[in-house]
Amino acid sequence: NAGVTQTPKFQVLKTGQSMTLQCAQDMNHEYMSWYRQDPGMGLRLIHYSVGAGITDQGEVPNGYNVSRSTTEDFPLRLLSAAPSQTSVYFCASSYHTSVTNYNEQFFGPGTRLTVL
Amino acid sequence: AQTVTQSQPEMSVQEAETVTLSCTYDTSESNYYLFWYKQPPSRQMILVIRQEAYKQQNATENRFSVNFQKAAKSFSLKISDSQLGDTAMYFCAFFPDTGNQFYFGTGTSLTVIP
Repeated sequence: NAGVTQTPKFQVLKTGQSMTLQCAQDMNHEYMSWYRQDPGMGLRLIHYSVGAGITDQGEVPNGYNVSRSTTEDFPLRLLSAAPSQTSVYFCASSYHTSVTNYNEQFFGPGTRLTVL
Repeated sequence: AQTVTQSQPEMSVQEAETVTLSCTYDTSESNYYLFWYKQPPSRQMILVIRQEAYKQQNATENRFSVNFQKAAKSFSLKISDSQLGDTAMYFCAFFPDTGNQFYFGTGTSLTVIP
């Protein structure tokens, strides 16, 4: 198992550019999520999905879009990058509560994004 | 609303000593799950320990144990015999059984001093 993979590991964008952060998992997890990590603020949930075709907003969804066409993939799209989106982004996956009695999240290695 | 609070932004401990990291949470849920994650300088998030709220017995994983006080909504992590490799950021996290979101604290940066 590769676990949760994220690409790219580093990215520099200019203000106004768009890009997609890729996330994939091979553990057949229903639940996938995107977080951003900023100093002193912990991990904040951007969007999540409880299964293919189902997505919902988290705490800080503005400026980001997601889709979940397959169980394995959960890409995060930045529509028009802004300096405030400079952060480290983590993708995570887990079984949903309907399947197991605990919900350990498995995290990808993260993407460090800088918006100039 | 669910919140997780880690009131100690930074801590340090001498190698081989014991340290306790604090975490409190606020919820109206009766059943939920609590986690401690470790993030070393490599940035990879690693699960340290987990606790189900319906279990009264405190979870233990080798040198890591928790003090779970459900009434006080407290979930502290004790690290015994601290090692240099324990130097990392530690995050407390909460997942309500009826919800779909994980909630994370702001983290505690732990430094183990040789």
